[in-house]
Amino acid sequence: EAEVAQSPRYKITEKSQAVAFWCDPISGHATLYWYRQILGQGPELLVQFQDESVVDDSQLPKDRFSAERLKGVDSTLKIQPAELGDSAMYLCASSPGQVTGELFFGEGSRLTVL
Amino acid sequence: SQQGEEDPQALSIQEGENATMNCSYKTSINNLQWYRQNSGRGLVHLILIRSNEREKHSGRLRVTLDTSKKSSSLLITASRAADTASYFCATAGGNKLTFGGGTRVLVKP
Repeated sequence: EAEVAQSPRYKITEKSQAVAFWCDPISGHATLYWYRQILGQGPELLVQFQDESVVDDSQLPKDRFSAERLKGVDSTLKIQPAELGDSAMYLCASSPGQVTGELFFGEGSRLTVL
Repeated sequence: SQQGEEDPQALSIQEGENATMNCSYKTSINNLQWYRQNSGRGLVHLILIRSNEREKHSGRLRVTLDTSKKSSSLLITASRAADTASYFCATAGGNKLTFGGGTRVLVKP
């Protein structure tokens, strides 16, 4: 069964360092999402792509976060510099089209900032 | 910001009992979805109910939607230890899916 691939699964970094997460969605899925989930809370949308275009990045802290999906397939989320409050699970999800149906999630990347 | 609010925040039951959790939301929606998340893992889609539907079943899951009250409920019947997880409702409005804070369910054997 096709899955959303994410790496790394775990990342420990010191504050002020740069960190990057990678996501490979299910083949053929046009829409890709990055969510941040703080421990004990629900996921919050950071950025949504439709193919290679950003559809929604209103909640992305653009002073330190960036996201790209250059060829409309895989995607990278970067944080520079990392802050203590960035410790969270970063979840990638994909869906086939624009209409908001079922999302398929990866296993997530757990970030700890020391 | 989170549109949906789940109630209760945590639930502890014995295996074989039913588990019910509720979700309330604020704005109009196209559909409402429920997801499960095992500890430290990604979310898994359980069920989607459209705004013109009132009830939907999938295996041991039963979801209701009351758009006049802007609320939904998820019932898990005959719970099993493997149902221990966090459950999230997500509301779909426009082209965005917004998650609630979740209900943490513990099923004791």
